[in-house]
Amino acid sequence: AQRVTQPEKLLSVFKGAPVELKCNYSYSGSPELFWYVQYSRQRLQLLLRHISRESIKGFTADLNKGETSFHLKKPFAQEEDSAMYYCALIQGAQKLVFGQGTRLTINP
Amino acid sequence: NAGVTQTPKFQVLKTGQSMTLQCAQDMNHEYMSWYRQDPGMGLRLIHYSVGAGITDQGEVPNGYNVSRSTTEDFPLRLLSAAPSQTSVYFCASSSYRDRANEQYFGPGTRLTVT
Repeated sequence: AQRVTQPEKLLSVFKGAPVELKCNYSYSGSPELFWYVQYSRQRLQLLLRHISRESIKGFTADLNKGETSFHLKKPFAQEEDSAMYYCALIQGAQKLVFGQGTRLTINP
Repeated sequence: NAGVTQTPKFQVLKTGQSMTLQCAQDMNHEYMSWYRQDPGMGLRLIHYSVGAGITDQGEVPNGYNVSRSTTEDFPLRLLSAAPSQTSVYFCASSSYRDRANEQYFGPGTRLTVT
């Protein structure tokens, strides 16, 4: 069965420190993976997807098929990065399978 | 464009009551879905629709009904509310024409069942 695992429920780092939010998946076939973010009092929104290989707000994520991982990274955390982050994969007919989510807190 | 809208924002129900959560989108998206968000469990798919007149079950469909009579609207009905349905409900939409496969979410409905 397709599954997404985010092992950290909570992650707290200091401003300016590197950030890595872990995501592992199980999927038969070629997965299409995403990171969604939910800032306080805002709706869930797409942060980035692996196909585009882009950097958004300083975040990057590389798909590692050997380790079945899609970790989200940022070299220097900023206070406005505090939010709930969800890793997700798409499964036929545009159904999203989400991980449990990681609440990231950036301390000043 | 308003995007995806949901009403109400908050709702308190007693066990056994029924209600409908409304969802509408003005982007002419074919695909619409309902998720529930619970702490430590992420978002789980309840029901989805690939177009008007077509619906299917997701991961956690029990206790919920949906219909899709128009492209714009996708209401979620709770038949007989239970405390286990206390959650935050999100509606989302997307289009097959969007190569990015991005899903657009509504602001959510926070439901409490007592």
